[in-house]
Amino acid sequence: AQTVTQSQPEMSVQEAETVTLSCTYDTSESDYYLFWYKQPPSRQMILVIRQEAYKQQNATENRFSVNFQKAAKSFSLKISDSQLGDAAMYFCAYRKYTGTASKLTFGTGTRLQVTL
Amino acid sequence: DTGVSQNPRHKITKRGQNVTFRCDPISEHNRLYWYRQTLGQGPEFLTYFQNEAQLEKSRLLSDRFSAERPKGSFSTLEIQRTEQGDSAMYLCASSLREGADQPQHFGDGTRLSIL
Repeated sequence: AQTVTQSQPEMSVQEAETVTLSCTYDTSESDYYLFWYKQPPSRQMILVIRQEAYKQQNATENRFSVNFQKAAKSFSLKISDSQLGDAAMYFCAYRKYTGTASKLTFGTGTRLQVTL
Repeated sequence: DTGVSQNPRHKITKRGQNVTFRCDPISEHNRLYWYRQTLGQGPEFLTYFQNEAQLEKSRLLSDRFSAERPKGSFSTLEIQRTEQGDSAMYLCASSLREGADQPQHFGDGTRLSIL
């Protein structure tokens, strides 16, 4: 079974600074997708960024980028120029590439605080 | 595109009662997922549908839980004889079609509290 581990329950960053959230996962599959989701307080979860395992190039979405290390099974999220609106729970998630197992497997999350 | 809608937002009930939640996915999304999220944890998969067919159920979905999607549009999740451990946020998500690259769009969730 696949597992996703987020070892940082809480992180804090000052506005305009850069922060990196860590995620490791365990799988025997060679093809899969990895995601970062953001869940603001009392609001719905939204997709931040995704990475295909077969792509070597790290995904980037504006201020958000990932560092994907397939051999190490590591998938960290870097937020640049942090803004107050980035404060939220961040979940790392894994999804199998093929077959009918279409579910997302989530980590336990990292709560990000953004300070002035 | 109005997003995934879940009702009710909050449900408080006594232990032993039955509860039913509803999820309306984004129009034309043929995949619908249910997840459960307890405090301090990430969402855990419960079940998913492709159109009206229920394709996978987690072992978390005990026989007290039943989910339906009768016409391939909205879905309901029923919990019978609720227990304290059922207290959680129940999240619904939908995606346009099959494919691991397809993003799942989440609703606001239904928070269930068992007294």
